Amino acid sequence: NAGVTQTPKFQVLKTGQSMTLQCAQDMNHEYMSWYRQDPGMGLRLIHYSVGAGITDQGEVPNGYNVSRSTTEDFPLRLLSAAPSQTSVYFCASSSTGTGGLNQPQHFGDGTRLSIL
Amino acid sequence: AQRVTQPEKLLSVFKGAPVELKCNYSYSGSPELFWYVQYSRQRLQLLLRHISRESIKGFTADLNKGETSFHLKKPFAQEEDSAMYYCALGLYNQGGKLIFGQGTELSVKP
Repeated sequence: NAGVTQTPKFQVLKTGQSMTLQCAQDMNHEYMSWYRQDPGMGLRLIHYSVGAGITDQGEVPNGYNVSRSTTEDFPLRLLSAAPSQTSVYFCASSSTGTGGLNQPQHFGDGTRLSIL
Repeated sequence: AQRVTQPEKLLSVFKGAPVELKCNYSYSGSPELFWYVQYSRQRLQLLLRHISRESIKGFTADLNKGETSFHLKKPFAQEEDSAMYYCALGLYNQGGKLIFGQGTELSVKP
């Protein structure tokens, strides 16, 4: 059982380049999300999805794009990389729960991204 | 606005000493609180959640709605507890959406 799989683990980009961070989960979770982790700022939500075909913005969506064509995959696209996007990116998934309650998030290993 | 505050960036204690990692939240709805832990070179994982009212690895946390706090406590710290700890607020009826605090690095010295 792989859980949440993120690729690549490391990436170096030049300013202005675009790329896609991949995230896949095999737990049939409805909810998926992307966070960035920066020193002293914790994890900040970039985008999230409550199911295939549905996405929404989190706290820091600018410069990022997402889509959710299948339940399993939730790729994150950097449209034109900037040094401010240097960070560690985490993908997470969970079932949506019942009665309005959250279910625990399952996290991937992270992608360490450097923008030069 | 929803917010989670962890006032300590770094907490350093000696093995066997009590530990308390502070977490305060701001939320007008019905809160769900979690503690997540990230050990060195490992992925972030759930430590405990307030509705479970359980003790995991000797850690406990009680939700205090009056003080809007969810502090994490352990009576006797172990070296293997050294990690990054994140408090997170689950927003009611918004799927799995979480608001994280800034994190507290716990260092337990021998």
